[in-house]
Amino acid sequence: DIVMTQTPLSLSVTPGQPASISCKSSQSLLHSDGKTYLYWYLQKPGQSPQLLIYEVSSRFSGVPDRFSGSGSGTDFTLKISRVEAEDVGVYYCMQGIHLPRVTFGGGTKVEIK
Amino acid sequence: EVQLVQSGAEVKKPGESLKISCKGSGYSFTSYWIGWVRQMPGKGLEWMGIIYPGDSDTRYSPSFQGQVTISADKSISTAYLQWSSLKASDTAMYYCARAYSYGDMDVWGKGTTVTVSS
Repeated sequence: DIVMTQTPLSLSVTPGQPASISCKSSQSLLHSDGKTYLYWYLQKPGQSPQLLIYEVSSRFSGVPDRFSGSGSGTDFTLKISRVEAEDVGVYYCMQGIHLPRVTFGGGTKVEIK
Repeated sequence: EVQLVQSGAEVKKPGESLKISCKGSGYSFTSYWIGWVRQMPGKGLEWMGIIYPGDSDTRYSPSFQGQVTISADKSISTAYLQWSSLKASDTAMYYCARAYSYGDMDVWGKGTTVTVSS
């Protein structure tokens, strides 16, 4: 199975400052159809996960534009341009290139200083 | 509004069977996959499998193949996750979500807590 490795494990950010989370996959997530099946989710405390980013860099409906995704192949990044209090939670990357061998990263916990 | 409503919390004993449900509304239930995700206490997310209610095509993660059964009844827009013989290690929160053919999920239920204890 593809292993998804996220760093850092946790992040403490001052409101208004940027934050960045890395996600590395053990194999390329570039499909033969030209798309890259890498997703980002946020699980806020006590809530269900919510989709933030699909196919590396497309923001899901309603996701603020301070969230952006980038990367290719095996290296991906989620950036928050200016962290707000509502952004606290655990962020997960997920790959879906080899259904049903879909795997999540271990998660990155973001908290506010 | 697209919604997935999951059944309530369950407390079971090892060896018992269980079937939890996920009812979709606000969209064409037969036109999207439904996926299941496990979250053990204090742990991360694990993708279990998906089902396409339109034709019951089901795909399991190798980690969960043979351990659970995913099914759906399109007549009542409901998907199910079931166990024939629960173990203590099945204690977890289980989420259903509307899914797509590459495993991604956009609308999630609130989760069903399953506790297995003697």
